[in-house]
Amino acid sequence: GAVVSQHPSRVICKSGTSVKIECRSLDFQATTMFWYRQFPKKSLMLMATSNEGSKATYEQGVEKDKFLINHASLTLSTLTVTSAHPEDSSFYICSASPTSGSPDTQYFGPGTRLTVL
Amino acid sequence: KQEVTQIPAALSVPEGENLVLNCSFTDSAIYNLQWFRQDPGKGLTSLLLIQSSQREQTSGRLNASLDKSSGRSTLYIAASQPGDSATYLCAVTGGGATNKLIFGTGTLLAVQP
Repeated sequence: GAVVSQHPSRVICKSGTSVKIECRSLDFQATTMFWYRQFPKKSLMLMATSNEGSKATYEQGVEKDKFLINHASLTLSTLTVTSAHPEDSSFYICSASPTSGSPDTQYFGPGTRLTVL
Repeated sequence: KQEVTQIPAALSVPEGENLVLNCSFTDSAIYNLQWFRQDPGKGLTSLLLIQSSQREQTSGRLNASLDKSSGRSTLYIAASQPGDSATYLCAVTGGGATNKLIFGTGTLLAVQP
């Protein structure tokens, strides 16, 4: 149980286009989901906290107009990278915190590798 | 601002050795600390979670300790195996947001057969 999926696993796009990444909790409901970014050989940096039915909370330095987050249901959150540029190339990982159970718990998705040409 | 550091950044050991990974954090007001494993190009797998009131947690060959007052945690891996090769990340939660994780810099472990 407690599986989180991400789609796509890899995406290559041209500079200036927008890319949507989906994060789904497959066998549990998640009121809260998190989006992280990881640069090569670096640690994960929290980008934003996504709560179902409300606006996401962005970390300092993260452009909310560039990284659009939607959490329309208890099992799906999406991250849209708008007008992508090569510096947006990174590994994006989501996690989901079960609605029922300990708030400590986060289950992580397998990640999405974004390459912007 | 909480900062989490891990030492060493990389470690290579022969199979069978016992080893210790270190994690330090600057703000001792944490809610809990977790150790994760990340395989190349993959997501994270939670290994151990230590609540702030606990001193250690054990799972199989893994033992994690926590000294909150000094801002340190260690992950001990006994009888290492090539399958243990991965990046190990520690993360803390604390302050007002009990589920907001702040990750360390990671230790890349290679266990040589």
